[in-house]
Amino acid sequence: DTGVSQDPRHKITKRGQNVTFRCDPISEHNRLYWYRQTLGQGPEFLTYFQNEAQLEKSRLLSDRFSAERPKGSFSTLEIQRTEQGDSAMYLCASSLPLTSGRSTSYEQYFGPGTRLTVT
Amino acid sequence: GNSVTQMEGPVTLSEEAFLTINCTYTATGYPSLFWYVQYPGEGLQLLLKATKADDKGSNKGFEATYRKETTSFHLEKGSVQVSDSAVYFCALTRNSGYSTLTFGKGTMLLVSP
Repeated sequence: DTGVSQDPRHKITKRGQNVTFRCDPISEHNRLYWYRQTLGQGPEFLTYFQNEAQLEKSRLLSDRFSAERPKGSFSTLEIQRTEQGDSAMYLCASSLPLTSGRSTSYEQYFGPGTRLTVT
Repeated sequence: GNSVTQMEGPVTLSEEAFLTINCTYTATGYPSLFWYVQYPGEGLQLLLKATKADDKGSNKGFEATYRKETTSFHLEKGSVQVSDSAVYFCALTRNSGYSTLTFGKGTMLLVSP
């Protein structure tokens, strides 16, 4: 059973550098999400994809952030010109909508996260 | 907008004690409610869920009941173990095709032998 994987697990970078993270979702899941979690806080939504289409972006996602999911499989999240405030855990999750009767549930399965430290 | 409020931690208990972690929410419509758990050094794991009012989610001895009248989804366990020590997050998602999660800040649980 292959879960959601993220690479790298840890990244230390200097302010002003660009970084890119990768997420590989569970293979049959068509939805992929990015969240950011800072110390002592719950995860905050950044963006999500259904297949290769980016359907929603949070206001937290500034112009320095860009995400792609080119073939509807893995996704990348790039941060340009990193700032110290970008230091956080970046979480990826995937889901497959499950419909039962009239209700649809979206159980999201999370990866281990990429911890970014900007010095 | 949507929001989730959890009781602040840490919650410190002795093994076999009764656990309650309070969670209340604000949302329009009829959200689905979740509890996620994050063990030290690991990723978030879904613990239990409830998709409509009066539903009870349960897993591994944990339970939570979706109370629409009090907009609450409190997590309970009758007898905690040291291995339950973790951070617990309450979360919601709106239904009708909208699936992104809104999380509370998390509550750390520490269980001592």
